[in-house]
Amino acid sequence: ILNVEQSPQSLHVQEGDSTNFTCSFPSSNFYALHWYRWETAKSPEALFVMTLNGDEKKKGRISATLNTKEGYSYLYIKGSQPEDSATYLCAFRDFNKFYFGSGTKLNVKP
Amino acid sequence: DTAVSQTPKYLVTQMGNDKSIKCEQNLGHDTMYWYKQDSKKFLKIMFSYNNKELIINETVPNRFSPKSPDKAHLNLHINSLELGDSAVYFCASSRVPNQPQHFGDGTRLSIL
Repeated sequence: ILNVEQSPQSLHVQEGDSTNFTCSFPSSNFYALHWYRWETAKSPEALFVMTLNGDEKKKGRISATLNTKEGYSYLYIKGSQPEDSATYLCAFRDFNKFYFGSGTKLNVKP
Repeated sequence: DTAVSQTPKYLVTQMGNDKSIKCEQNLGHDTMYWYKQDSKKFLKIMFSYNNKELIINETVPNRFSPKSPDKAHLNLHINSLELGDSAVYFCASSRVPNQPQHFGDGTRLSIL
């Protein structure tokens, strides 16, 4: 069984706070790491696909980093807004399979 | 236009029945997937097709059979439904296997 772990499970922050969370995955057989944003009552929406050790990706106030040697990725949100409230999922891909973490549920209070 | 559409959205049926969930994507993607969201909210991959060929076939009961009549469709047929099959099933597609996936809205299957 391949474990992809995300921490924390949930996070409550105030509007304007910056926050980050972690995705841990096996460091062997790495092919790609995906991040998704999943709002309640909607379907997951792709944020980033990261493939190279040291990759950094940015989309607006959200950015992500990747360390394949130690098996982790960080997702950062700068200046959180209430509309950032969602569950953030990471998915590890080895050669041909995807393994999703259980997500970090972010709640941003106005 | 909905990019990845699943039908039905809700499916309530009796144990032992056979049912199908349909998935269609209008994105021109080559790869399609079926996921099951388990009781702990994990998304677990069940199947993946690339250009109508099965490329991922996880350990699921053989009561579950995917069918891909063309690249735009990947349907999931389930025979002899059991209580443990109750879950939300998500369809997704991507341009090629390693590209970001676009998800459907999910089908909530409830077995009575």
